[in-house]
Amino acid sequence: SQTIHQWPATLVQPVGSPLSLECTVEGTSNPNLYWYRQAAGRGLQLLFYSVGIGQISSEVPQNLSASRPQDRQFILSSKKLLLSDSGFYLCACTPGTESEAFFGQGTRLTVV
Amino acid sequence: AQSVTQPDIHITVSEGASLELRCNYSYGATPYLFWYVQSPGQGLQLLLKYFSGDTLVQGIKGFEAEFKRSQSSFNLRKPSVHWSDAAEYFCAVGAPGFGNEKLTFGTGTRLTIIP
Repeated sequence: SQTIHQWPATLVQPVGSPLSLECTVEGTSNPNLYWYRQAAGRGLQLLFYSVGIGQISSEVPQNLSASRPQDRQFILSSKKLLLSDSGFYLCACTPGTESEAFFGQGTRLTVV
Repeated sequence: AQSVTQPDIHITVSEGASLELRCNYSYGATPYLFWYVQSPGQGLQLLLKYFSGDTLVQGIKGFEAEFKRSQSSFNLRKPSVHWSDAAEYFCAVGAPGFGNEKLTFGTGTRLTIIP
């Protein structure tokens, strides 16, 4: 079965600093990959999804970007963090067309 | 595009009592439907899913959900809750048949269990 690795688990970054969150998937090939953000007291907001290497779709315009350099690697980045970027970031994958999403354990990002 | 509504932000029930969490969706055809649970600071765990077939779906931890097309609903139920069920619950809808599967989540329902 698939496993999703996300790191780091916790991150505190100053405003204006860059960001790189990494997600890797094991146990499946050519999955759809997703980045979600969960703000305090709110639901999950889809940020980016990818159906293949180099293919990224953005759901919400913002100062974040995503890349998929390898089939099972998904990276969330920012050149300059804002306070509003604080939140809980979750990486997820769907291995096939009739499949639920599997989630990583998340990264708690606090921008100070 | 699909959408999901979870009308209850927070629900409190006594341990041993029955539970129903509401979920309504909007989608032009039969969607894929999911319920997830999230413990504090953790990722999401799948409780159950509906793709087709029997509209009453059994999941893990004693949960079940019923797909009602006429009401566009997929409510989650448990006959007797345990203190360990305290968590946040998310309903999600997927849109099959469009080349990629994007899940749309509701805003969640926080469940508190009182002794």
